[in-house]
Amino acid sequence: KQEVTQIPAALSVPEGENLVLNCSFTDSAIYNLQWFRQDPGKGLTSLLLIQSSQREQTSGRLNASLDKSSGRSTLYIAASQPGDSATYLCAPLRAYSGAGSYQLTFGKGTKLSVIP
Amino acid sequence: DGGITQSPKYLFRKEGQNVTLSCEQNLNHDAMYWYRQDPGQGLRLIYYSQIVNDFQKGDIAEGYSVSREKKESFPLTVTSAQKNPTAFYLCASSIVGVNEQFFGPGTRLTVL
Repeated sequence: KQEVTQIPAALSVPEGENLVLNCSFTDSAIYNLQWFRQDPGKGLTSLLLIQSSQREQTSGRLNASLDKSSGRSTLYIAASQPGDSATYLCAPLRAYSGAGSYQLTFGKGTKLSVIP
Repeated sequence: DGGITQSPKYLFRKEGQNVTLSCEQNLNHDAMYWYRQDPGQGLRLIYYSQIVNDFQKGDIAEGYSVSREKKESFPLTVTSAQKNPTAFYLCASSIVGVNEQFFGPGTRLTVL
C-alpha cells in the first residue's frame, strides 16, 4: 500500500521568500508524480507532472524534483507571492488492481500562507 | 473552453435519501474518476472508469454507485447505505494510462 507524507503540514513565509515543500512516498514503483494546488473550497489545479524517468520539471517560478529510488519529491517555489497561498498536494501514480489501471495516492497537503 | 464541470456546487441530503452528483467533461478523455476529500485527509478513490459502459471500484466504493453511459459523463450516486456521506466530492479525468489527471471544481455534500 502506498503512503504519502507531506512535510510541513503548514508553512507561513513573508512575501518574496523562496521555499521548499517536501513529499515522501513508501512505494517507489511509480510511473509519475503530480503536484497540485487547492484553494479553499475549490477543486485541484495541476501544477506539474514529473515522469518517473525525469529528475526535474519546471513551470515558471515552480520547480519540482523527483528521486524515485529514495521515494522523495520536492516542490520549490521561487520569490513567493500572496497569490501562492493555498494547499499543495503531491500524488504519485502507481499500478492499481485492474490490468492497465493506475492510481494516484494523495498526501494530506502542505498549507502555505505567504504574508504580504 | 475545455474542462470538467460538476453540479451542484452544494448539495444537502436528508438521512435515508439517495443523491446523484453530476460530472461532465469535454476534454475527450476516456478515463474518469471520483474522489472523496475529508477535512485534513488525502483524497481517496471511490470509483473509476476507463471506457464507456465499464467501471471499477476504488478504495472506498461501499455505499456509492456509478454509471458510464456516455464518454462525457460519469455521475456518482451516494446511497443511503453510505454511513458518513458528508464530504467534498471531486471528479477527475485523464487520457487512459500514465497520464496527467485534471479535476473539476467539486461538490460539497452535507447530510442533515
